[in-house]
Amino acid sequence: GAGVSQTPSNKVTEKGKYVELRCDPISGHTALYWYRQSLGQGPEFLIYFQGTGAADDSGLPNDRFFAVRPEGSVSTLKIQRTERGDSAVYLCASSLYNSPEEQYFGPGTRLTVT
Amino acid sequence: AQTVTQSQPEMSVQEAETVTLSCTYDTSESNYYLFWYKQPPSRQMILVIRQEAYKQQNATENRFSVNFQKAAKSFSLKISDSQLGDTAMYFCAFMKMGGSEKLVFGKGTKLTVNP
Repeated sequence: GAGVSQTPSNKVTEKGKYVELRCDPISGHTALYWYRQSLGQGPEFLIYFQGTGAADDSGLPNDRFFAVRPEGSVSTLKIQRTERGDSAVYLCASSLYNSPEEQYFGPGTRLTVT
Repeated sequence: AQTVTQSQPEMSVQEAETVTLSCTYDTSESNYYLFWYKQPPSRQMILVIRQEAYKQQNATENRFSVNFQKAAKSFSLKISDSQLGDTAMYFCAFMKMGGSEKLVFGKGTKLTVNP
């Protein structure tokens, strides 16, 4: 079947604008994860969903960042009042319930804030 | 908190030769997973190999093998018969077993395989 997909592939926005990044997990995967990868760094955990609920949002850097997964499938990461420091690749991964050690990653969205 | 350290920012190897990438980690947990991921220019993270900490036997996947030293908290990746397609960023990662689903990554090693 299809892998994890993320849209858009690239997003350029101006400082202060609002952006939404979308993740479509593998069908049947109840767990979904968001990571942020800044230039020259490894990915850093942002938030984890099990079904519709955020089971762990300890990685969200501040209240400008918010994520939803209303129907337990597609997830949207929302960033308000973007700052240049938000520029990064945002990676999404999904896994089966109780198999977090088998996370499948999408190709990421490269966000550039000018 | 767990930390993962990759001390080699860049490495290069000749095609068909063997290369070893280093990784150390710090944790107080007893049960955990360790991973090596490959990230080509396409950005997609691809799992190379996984090791469960409770297993004494080192994991192997075709040309890829690990040297897991639990007491030393060391987890190196050996790539045998290197191929041009192995050129990529390689990330070492840690996951606590049970109760935490997040991966903790190192900063990565850029591997270049030369023809």
